[in-house]
Amino acid sequence: QKEVEQNSGPLSVPEGAIASLNCTYSDRVSQSFFWYRQYSGKSPELIMSIYSNGDKEDGRFTAQLNKASQYVSLLIRDSQPSDSATYLCAVLRSGKSTFGDGTTLTVKP
Amino acid sequence: GAVVSQHPSWVICKSGTSVKIECRSLDFQATTMFWYRQFPKQSLMLMATSNEGSKATYEQGVEKDKFLINHASLTLSTLTVTSAHPEDSSFYICSAHGFGGSEKLFFGSGTQLSVL
Repeated sequence: QKEVEQNSGPLSVPEGAIASLNCTYSDRVSQSFFWYRQYSGKSPELIMSIYSNGDKEDGRFTAQLNKASQYVSLLIRDSQPSDSATYLCAVLRSGKSTFGDGTTLTVKP
Repeated sequence: GAVVSQHPSWVICKSGTSVKIECRSLDFQATTMFWYRQFPKQSLMLMATSNEGSKATYEQGVEKDKFLINHASLTLSTLTVTSAHPEDSSFYICSAHGFGGSEKLFFGSGTQLSVL
């Protein structure tokens, strides 16, 4: 079992729709969770971090964490073509970040 | 946010040569930096943790004699791929945690290495 698992995708949504990205992790001790966005040929950039159960909103992005279910999700509202990218879920443990394989999102105009 | 600068952005080299990649933290001091490798359509794989003033910690399966890491100052870490071969062709990315022990990772722009 991988430490961090994501829906492999690809995920395609129409412009203006809600995109939902999911991630599960195996280590219950993990405390810090992150979503990174990576455009093709570029390095990742942080878009959301979440540390406690519940929802965290930042603009069009909402991260959700459920530690009991070991589940993290990212919702993107009013999706735009510029949101088309690969989204990486990351879990921090013992000072090291472990990344999922990523979910590729395509937002169609 | 914290700025991490990585050079070069891309490099093409002949098989058997060595390539050095630099990673600098521009507006903060990074006692620890991380080096990742990413193959096409795959995720980031941690290669090693670079520690200022001490030896790097390599992940299982990563050859420390092939991927030399030097972290001589609080703002600079270098990765040297020695005797590069075509299978070493990949996207190499460095990163560091931000100010004051922040848990957020900030990435360099990456280096695309192509070994002919």
